Amino acid sequence: DGGITQSPKYLFRKEGQNVTLSCEQNLNHDAMYWYRQDPGQGLRLIYYSQIVNDFQKGDIAEGYSVSREKKESFPLTVTSAQKNPTAFYLCASSIDPTGGEQYFGPGTRLTVT
Amino acid sequence: SQQGEEDPQALSIQEGENATMNCSYKTSINNLQWYRQNSGRGLVHLILIRSNEREKHSGRLRVTLDTSKKSSSLLITASRAADTASYFCATPNNAGNMLTFGGGTRLMVKP
Repeated sequence: DGGITQSPKYLFRKEGQNVTLSCEQNLNHDAMYWYRQDPGQGLRLIYYSQIVNDFQKGDIAEGYSVSREKKESFPLTVTSAQKNPTAFYLCASSIDPTGGEQYFGPGTRLTVT
Repeated sequence: SQQGEEDPQALSIQEGENATMNCSYKTSINNLQWYRQNSGRGLVHLILIRSNEREKHSGRLRVTLDTSKKSSSLLITASRAADTASYFCATPNNAGNMLTFGGGTRLMVKP
């Protein structure tokens, strides 16, 4: 059963703590993406990676970090430098890194208090 | 900055009616995509229309693209309660290495 998995579905953290969100895909896609979605809003791109060991900042990268050591995995770390980290985080992948169709995971809802 | 903007922001209709939502964008594109998001879930790709296409169908979905007006519309015919969701348009940036999503149209279909 191919797809993208994100874990956990809900995550709670205290302010000042770093937290890492998992994203795994078995679709053999080269490109992977992390988005942030705030209530009632669209998606904003945090980071993207078009190939293993390479990634680029999106529109709102400040306070976030990523790694892409394996094709299947693209974890996102929300650092304590992110001023407003509470949000819904979505991971996606694409076989076409030039603006093609993206496949999304189920999302992780992060709450920081 | 948002490339695509959906209109209306919210739409409420009765089951069986048609739903039309629009997307406007700013720069030239090579494709435009529509996605659906059920509450609290990830997005699901619905349809991709290329810049040299004017209309595309998929089941009860009809998408049009007018590159001269930089706009697209998504029509859902004979809507069902299960169509209740948010619908987003997305376009590639000039470099073609990322998609930019609009703010979405929240559709409610009442049974």
